[in-house]
Amino acid sequence: NAGVTQTPKFRVLKTGQSMTLLCAQDMNHEYMYWYRQDPGMGLRLIHYSVGEGTTAKGEVPDGYNVSRLKKQNFLLGLESAAPSQTSVYFCASSPYTGTRVPEQYFGPGTRLTVT
Amino acid sequence: SQQGEEDPQALSIQEGENATMNCSYKTSINNLQWYRQNSGRGLVHLILIRSNEREKHSGRLRVTLDTSKKSSSLLITASRAADTASYFCATTAGFGNEKLTFGTGTRLTIIP
Repeated sequence: NAGVTQTPKFRVLKTGQSMTLLCAQDMNHEYMYWYRQDPGMGLRLIHYSVGEGTTAKGEVPDGYNVSRLKKQNFLLGLESAAPSQTSVYFCASSPYTGTRVPEQYFGPGTRLTVT
Repeated sequence: SQQGEEDPQALSIQEGENATMNCSYKTSINNLQWYRQNSGRGLVHLILIRSNEREKHSGRLRVTLDTSKKSSSLLITASRAADTASYFCATTAGFGNEKLTFGTGTRLTIIP
């Protein structure tokens, strides 16, 4: 199993450009997440999904959109990139377990620079 | 806003020594998890402790939770060079267990 994979690994954008980050998981997990990690800030939740066709806002959703058309994929879009979106983006997934608290499985990250 | 604050922000110890890092949080929680992040990599789950538990062990890891003080500690015994990484606490709260709120992390360096 590949686990959680992210595409691309690195990207440089100019202000105003758009792009889509792809996250894929092969563990049949129900939940998927997008985080951003900035120096000294830990991870902050951007958007998440509790199942195919559903999405919800996290802590810092502004400037991002997401889609979960297939259970195994979770896409993060930047419609008009801004320098403030320079960050490392992590995707994660976790299984639905009813009352048991699931751990999250993380991808390797995408380093995005907006100039 | 960050739920958890780790202390210290950075810690350097000699190989073989024990490492202790602390996490404080602001609101009532359902459970608390600890994750490790090696440089340039994604996070890896280490251990989970529920709000009704006080201590948990896993190999060289010991986690304590004090809900009255809204704090947790992670102890790594007999540290190894491979333990060099950043360590994050993360909490879940409210009705759903699906969202984690991460702390700011402790950067641990093990000196060979």
